[in-house]
Amino acid sequence: DVKVTQSSRYLVKRTGEKVFLECVQDMDHENMFWYRQDPGLGLRLIYFSYDVKMKEKGDIPEGYSVSREKKERFSLILESASTNQTSMYLCAGTGVDTEAFFGQGTRLTVV
Amino acid sequence: AQSVSQHNHHVILSEAASLELGCNYSYGGTVNLFWYVQYPGQHLQLLLKYFSGDPLVKGIKGFEAEFIKSKFSFNLRKPSVQWSDTAEYFCAVNERAAGNKLTFGGGTRVLVKP
Repeated sequence: DVKVTQSSRYLVKRTGEKVFLECVQDMDHENMFWYRQDPGLGLRLIYFSYDVKMKEKGDIPEGYSVSREKKERFSLILESASTNQTSMYLCAGTGVDTEAFFGQGTRLTVV
Repeated sequence: AQSVSQHNHHVILSEAASLELGCNYSYGGTVNLFWYVQYPGQHLQLLLKYFSGDPLVKGIKGFEAEFIKSKFSFNLRKPSVQWSDTAEYFCAVNERAAGNKLTFGGGTRVLVKP
């Protein structure tokens, strides 16, 4: 069974904190993605990576950064958390010509 | 930039009615196409996918989708819905020449009344 694992299901952080969301995949897939999901807005792509140390901005990268030092791990970083970053965050991985496999999601609340 | 549009945000229909959800994308290159479903309180699940070949794709739970390249469309259909099809449906497009960027539409919430 392929697996994408996100380190936390629920997180509560304070405004201004630096927040790390971790994602690990065991599929040896090249491509990894971070999305946020908000009601009525679907899944919006924050950043993606098609190889180790490679990263590309998605549609809403402002306020976020990412790190991919190893193929299996893709981290999302909120440099200084704000309340408008309260959301469900989803990590996904894909290979060549495969569908995306998703983690269980991290519900982040910034207070 | 690639965009994926789902025409309807909300759809309400009765059991046994037919369902068609529209999806259009803007990218002109080679794409892979997907429909995902998210049942209330659950994670995203793959309904079907298109990579190449027959543009009429059959998926799980009686769903099918047709890729019309000239219209940049990948519409989802089901001839007869059930109450259990109540969910949110997402179209997604993978740009193969852009690092496999995977972009989702805004989703369509479907409510099937018993």
